[in-house]
Amino acid sequence: DAMVIQNPRYQVTQFGKPVTLSCSQTLNHNVMYWYQQKSSQAPKLLFHYYDKDFNNEADTPDNFQSRRPNTSFCFLDIRSPGLGDAAMYLCATSRNRGETQYFGPGTRLLVL
Amino acid sequence: KQEVTQIPAALSVPEGENLVLNCSFTDSAIYNLQWFRQDPGKGLTSLLLIQSSQREQTSGRLNASLDKSSGRSTLYIAASQPGDSATYLCAVTGNTPLVFGKGTRLSVIA
Repeated sequence: DAMVIQNPRYQVTQFGKPVTLSCSQTLNHNVMYWYQQKSSQAPKLLFHYYDKDFNNEADTPDNFQSRRPNTSFCFLDIRSPGLGDAAMYLCATSRNRGETQYFGPGTRLLVL
Repeated sequence: KQEVTQIPAALSVPEGENLVLNCSFTDSAIYNLQWFRQDPGKGLTSLLLIQSSQREQTSGRLNASLDKSSGRSTLYIAASQPGDSATYLCAVTGNTPLVFGKGTRLSVIA
């Protein structure tokens, strides 16, 4: 049974064309996270929501934004994708901060 | 700023061997440490989580230890199998939600 679902699995967009990645969870967890992972690098936290409380990492570019309309869904919006934004985007959830994180399968973004 | 280092970056072993993966972190003020597995092009699967008050956790053929004072953790894999081939990442939670190492890419040769 899928617990953290990401759609689409692969996304191709054009340079500068806004794109939205989707994450949903069936775990009813309080916390949802978005990570960016480039090839052969460690996942890098972009931001997280604790319930409706949004927490942005200091070095996350302004080009990246997020929405959490309800407990189950969280979206990553990239306003004007550049070539350097091509990466795997991972969504994760945890019941509370500091607890085990459960990851989705990721969305691989390609920017042409 | 927390930094997590994993050594070695890559490891190749014959099937059946026991092996140890290493993880070190610079700030010992952590809440917990997690080990993950990542298959190529896939998401992360949580293997073990060790709370800062614990010294080790076991799951099947996996055993993870934590020495918080020295900033080290090890992941021991017993009787390795080709299906264990993947990248193994460790990550610590402290003042920031989760900081990852770059991982160790493991290949188990049949």
